[in-house]
Amino acid sequence: RKEVEQDPGPFNVPEGATVAFNCTYSNSASQSFFWYRQDCRKEPKLLMSVYSSGNEDGRFTAQLNRASQYISLLIRDSKLSDSATYLCVVNLLGSGYALNFGKGTSLLVTP
Amino acid sequence: NAGVTQTPKFQVLKTGQSMTLQCAQDMNHEYMSWYRQDPGMGLRLIHYSVGAGITDQGEVPNGYNVSRSTTEDFPLRLLSAAPSQTSVYFCASRSTGTGNTIYFGEGSWLTVV
Repeated sequence: RKEVEQDPGPFNVPEGATVAFNCTYSNSASQSFFWYRQDCRKEPKLLMSVYSSGNEDGRFTAQLNRASQYISLLIRDSKLSDSATYLCVVNLLGSGYALNFGKGTSLLVTP
Repeated sequence: NAGVTQTPKFQVLKTGQSMTLQCAQDMNHEYMSWYRQDPGMGLRLIHYSVGAGITDQGEVPNGYNVSRSTTEDFPLRLLSAAPSQTSVYFCASRSTGTGNTIYFGEGSWLTVV
């Protein structure tokens, strides 16, 4: 079983819609959590870190549920420019600095 | 700001050839790593280094070598290229500390024919 699992999508939503992505991780010793964004043929870039209390950055809200080993990303008022692949990323305690990446969830926002 | 610089961006190799993908960072990061990304597979860790002179294997190390003689540079060597190594390769670096952001290079597209 892969350590970080995501629904691959694609999610096709109209502009202005709210969309949520889910991610589960298998190792309870995981320590740090992130969402990265990757545009087509580009490198991944940090979207936001995910904190236990939940955190928000503009239209983006991330939640962490350690008991269920579940991470979510909510995008409100979707823009065309939000179209990308969203990667769930987990750092395992004791693994040094290696990160485990989910395969990504593809989002297409349409006019 | 240069950040993480990878070269070459595109390369076509014949089976059996060797080559080196270069990676350099100017942020004085201790940790550097190489990933490959294949369709449907996500990013997979090849090798990583936690400092000059220290390297270790990741999830898919076979067919690749690395060295870390300086903090700045972390080259990835393909010893004898195989078609299965056709992929996009990303070099990344981060400072120590589990919460710190990882920065990626722009990627190297490699095709082995």
